[in-house]
Amino acid sequence: QAQLLQSGAEVKKPGASVTISCRASGYNFPSHIIHWVRQAPGQGLEWIGWIRTDNGRAKASQQFQGRVTITRDTPATTVYMDLISLRSEDSAVYYCARDRDANWPTNWFDPWGQGTLVTVSS
Amino acid sequence: QSVLTQPPSASGTPGQRVIISCSGSSSNIGNNPVNWYQQFPGTAPKLLIFSNSERPSGVPDRFSGSKSGTSASLAISGLQSEDEADYYCASWDDKLSGSCVFGSGTTVTVL
Repeated sequence: QAQLLQSGAEVKKPGASVTISCRASGYNFPSHIIHWVRQAPGQGLEWIGWIRTDNGRAKASQQFQGRVTITRDTPATTVYMDLISLRSEDSAVYYCARDRDANWPTNWFDPWGQGTLVTVSS
Repeated sequence: QSVLTQPPSASGTPGQRVIISCSGSSSNIGNNPVNWYQQFPGTAPKLLIFSNSERPSGVPDRFSGSKSGTSASLAISGLQSEDEADYYCASWDDKLSGSCVFGSGTTVTVL
């Protein structure tokens, strides 16, 4: 069945950048958009952005525009999220999640990756 | 500050029916379907309800969803101890060139 496997936890200093990977398996990679969502400790879910895995078109939430870049490596069936200029408020668990659609993003996310904890601390 | 508003908590005894509300606006719930996610501590969220009221395969039929106007709700009938979790509603928002918006989350406690 479809699975998303994310890279391991990261500890970064303020101002640094982080790259998280999300490797997909068990389905046709180009047939589904991938989203990124984060959750700060004890807080709710916050949507970051999405990427079309067929053509690489990506879009981030206005809140993250200019700081986040989402890319994909089709042969490796892997999506990457780069977040720059990290601050303490970026400390969170970051999730990737598969959309049911290939062309137009929706709010249908299944499955989710296991999550990657990013800690930003001096 | 979440775009969609949910009560922070809800509770019930085993067997009771619990309803969680999710309030939005015309740019999100009023014009787009609502999905619900269930999350246990330390784990990733799981899709529970999609397209307002549809259940993915494997989700017990005691979970049901509905939508009316700019609000949606999730009902858990025959509450069980294993239903203790956080629940989030989600919708698409047509403002700002489109974005996914989540509710603030509701923690369900089985008394």
